[in-house]
Amino acid sequence: AQTVTQSQPEMSVQEAETVTLSCTYDTSENNYYLFWYKQPPSRQMILVIRQEAYKQQNATENRFSVNFQKAAKSFSLKISDSQLGDTAMYFCAGDLNNAGNMLTFGGGTRLMVKP
Amino acid sequence: DAGITQSPRYKITETGRQVTLMCHQTWSHSYMFWYRQDLGHGLRLIYYSAAADITDKGEVPDGYVVSRSKTENFPLTLESATRSQTSVYFCASSELMTSGAFYNEQFFGPGTRLTVL
Repeated sequence: AQTVTQSQPEMSVQEAETVTLSCTYDTSENNYYLFWYKQPPSRQMILVIRQEAYKQQNATENRFSVNFQKAAKSFSLKISDSQLGDTAMYFCAGDLNNAGNMLTFGGGTRLMVKP
Repeated sequence: DAGITQSPRYKITETGRQVTLMCHQTWSHSYMFWYRQDLGHGLRLIYYSAAADITDKGEVPDGYVVSRSKTENFPLTLESATRSQTSVYFCASSELMTSGAFYNEQFFGPGTRLTVL
């Protein structure tokens, strides 16, 4: 069974500092896709970053980057220069069964950026 | 408006009533999905559809019915609502494209908060 686990229910970080959110997953597939979604208080789900498992290089999007460890089945999100607007729930998700686009989500990490 | 919309945004109903949540997308995406979000569980897939008239169960389909007669619409019906179905419901859509690699970002609607009393 495909599972996604986020072990940190809540985290906090000071503005301008760096924070890392953890995610582990389980799949028997070799090719799959991993995502981090942000959910601010507005409830809208916003894609932050995407990683394709067959790519060795870690994905980056401005202040957001991932540390993808395929052998360890780990997919952490690093947020650099944290901003107050980064305060949100963050969900790790994976399209892990390579059967067409179904996402399995982790339970989420609530991130608070403090001024 | 372009994008993906859901209606209503908020709904309060009573146990045993039938409720239909609407989802409409303007991109002509092939795939559409319904998720529910509960505290501590993230989002869980209820049903999905790969095209008009093609639907399939997700992780938590019991108590729900879907249909997709048109590509752009994907309504979710609770035939006899129960308190355990109190949740936030998200609709999403995506297009599966291949150009050497799959591109499968899902775009989410704003969500519907459903309360069953």
